[in-house]
Amino acid sequence: EAQVTQNPRYLITVTGKKLTVTCSQNMNHEYMSWYRQDPGLGLRQIYYSMNVEVTDKGDVPEGYKVSRKEKRNFPLILESPSPNQTSLYFCASSVGTDNEQFFGPGTRLTVL
Amino acid sequence: GESVGLHLPTLSVQEGDNSIINCAYSNSASDYFIWYKQESGKGPQFIIDIRSNMDKRQGQRVTVLLNKTVKHLSLQIAATQPGDSAVYFCANQAGTALIFGKGTTLSVSS
Repeated sequence: EAQVTQNPRYLITVTGKKLTVTCSQNMNHEYMSWYRQDPGLGLRQIYYSMNVEVTDKGDVPEGYKVSRKEKRNFPLILESPSPNQTSLYFCASSVGTDNEQFFGPGTRLTVL
Repeated sequence: GESVGLHLPTLSVQEGDNSIINCAYSNSASDYFIWYKQESGKGPQFIIDIRSNMDKRQGQRVTVLLNKTVKHLSLQIAATQPGDSAVYFCANQAGTALIFGKGTTLSVSS
């Protein structure tokens, strides 16, 4: 089944404790992206990747890092999480930038 | 800056009615537009898309209309069903970024 998977689905952590949210797709997509979703603000793009080893900032990249060492994986790294990063995070992938994006199920992160 | 907005945050309809959800965008260089549906607890799900060289595209029970002159996008859902209850997002692709609107919550009562 073609899908985007994220782990963990739920995470509660404390300020400053490094964490990684994994994202994997099995559709051989070149384009992958991370979004955060907050009430009243919709989905905002954090980082995206056009291909392996090619990443770029989206609208809200502060406090986040990403890497794209393999085509299928695009982890989101929070080196020192803060409470304002409490949010619902979605990973997505697509063939290209002007094609349908497939979204993962989401990761709900709470930073205390 | 760029923005994609929806005219109404909520829309309530009766089962069987036609629903129209509107969206305005600001980037005149946008060339690809998408509608997503998000059900509670799930990720956004693709509904239909349209490119800037078209002004109308139809899917199963859904139609997207694009008016580039006034930078307006709409999603029409025919014979709305309770299963259509969700949050609907418009988005536009400008360059390498996908810009989402804030969403319209569609509530369908039977």
